[in-house]
Amino acid sequence: DAGVIQSPRHEVTEMGQEVTLRCKPISGHNSLFWYRQTMMRGLELLIYFNNNVPIDDSGMPEDRFSAKMPNASFSTLKIQPSEPRDSAVYFCASRNRDRGPHEQFFGPGTRLTVL
Amino acid sequence: DQQVKQNSPSLSVQEGRISILNCDYTNSMFDYFLWYKKYPAEGPTFLISISSIKDKNEDGRFTVFLNKSAKHLSLHIVPSQPGDSAVYFCAATNFGNEKLTFGTGTRLTIIP
Repeated sequence: DAGVIQSPRHEVTEMGQEVTLRCKPISGHNSLFWYRQTMMRGLELLIYFNNNVPIDDSGMPEDRFSAKMPNASFSTLKIQPSEPRDSAVYFCASRNRDRGPHEQFFGPGTRLTVL
Repeated sequence: DQQVKQNSPSLSVQEGRISILNCDYTNSMFDYFLWYKKYPAEGPTFLISISSIKDKNEDGRFTVFLNKSAKHLSLHIVPSQPGDSAVYFCAATNFGNEKLTFGTGTRLTIIP
């Protein structure tokens, strides 16, 4: 069984450029989460979707960040324009809401460096 | 404002001994707690969880203890093995909520 798939694994870009991170959740999962990991704040939830619908985006830091989930098997997180302080590891996670408590399955992450 | 706190950024333990990782929370609405383990260049993986109706949950070498009055939980690993070296995240939520609130993590190093 494939787990959560994220691409790219590493992204290096220059300040001001647009960055798009991609996620394929586990088949059959109906909730998807985007997190950002930094040393200072640990794992922060940015946004999550239920059945492809955004439910809570209160963690999205600024209007420069946007996320979409056009179908059950694909989601994107976009940063435009990117800034050096966006450098972090971004994780996507998914779960099946119909299967009880809260275990989420994480992808391997995308390490973003904005120069 | 960190609602889930892991005050020890790192911990080193001799192989075979007990590792104890601590986590404190401030939100009294939290009633379900999880521990995740993370190796370098991988995503976190679920380790063990506990509901607030219990004060202990055990799974093999891993035991989680919950002290609701102190808003404190701990993860015990006995005996510690080199493969346990990883970053451990504590997370909390309440049962009707999809969102997990994570701590900043503790890096555990097991010394052979």
